[in-house]
Amino acid sequence: EAGVAQSPRYKIIEKRQSVAFWCNPISGHATLYWYQQILGQGPKLLIQFQNNGVVDDSQLPKDRFSAERLKGVDSTLKIQPAKLEDSAVYLCASSLVAGAKETQYFGPGTRLLVL
Amino acid sequence: GNSVTQMEGPVTLSEEAFLTINCTYTATGYPSLFWYVQYPGEGLQLLLKATKADDKGSNKGFEATYRKETTSFHLEKGSVQVSDSAVYFCALRTNQAGTALIFGKGTTLSVSS
Repeated sequence: EAGVAQSPRYKIIEKRQSVAFWCNPISGHATLYWYQQILGQGPKLLIQFQNNGVVDDSQLPKDRFSAERLKGVDSTLKIQPAKLEDSAVYLCASSLVAGAKETQYFGPGTRLLVL
Repeated sequence: GNSVTQMEGPVTLSEEAFLTINCTYTATGYPSLFWYVQYPGEGLQLLLKATKADDKGSNKGFEATYRKETTSFHLEKGSVQVSDSAVYFCALRTNQAGTALIFGKGTTLSVSS
């Protein structure tokens, strides 16, 4: 079974520029998550989708971050404009259904450096 | 609010030593508990999980027991190998306020031969 795919793997941008990350979850997984992992910390949820609807975006900085999951499959996370503190690894994860006992499968992440 | 606290790292051990990484949690309700591992250059992988009190999760020689009375989920392995060198994350999920994982800060384990 193919895992969660993410691209690009690395990105370096100047502050105030925009950037987009792409995620393709495991086939058939209804729930998709974006996490931000700052160096030395554990991942923190940015947004959760159930199919193409948003379940939780309470920790998404909506003035600069946006995400969509059109057609309930692939998802894109965008940052515009980027700040220095956005330097982090952005992780995408998916699970078959939403539920506390369900295993989340993580992609390799996109490492973003904002200069 | 819900949170996870892990012991500070790095943890440095010799091959075949006994490993314990402490993890305690604060949560409303009855969370499910997880250990994820991140090998150098790779993504997060589920190591083991426990979904109710007194459950023991185990995988690859690692074990952790869900202790509700002490709100703990400590990770143990009887004999570590160099290949176990990685960052280990304790995490929880509840059925309240969505199902996203809440992670600890991670503990780096370095095993030398």
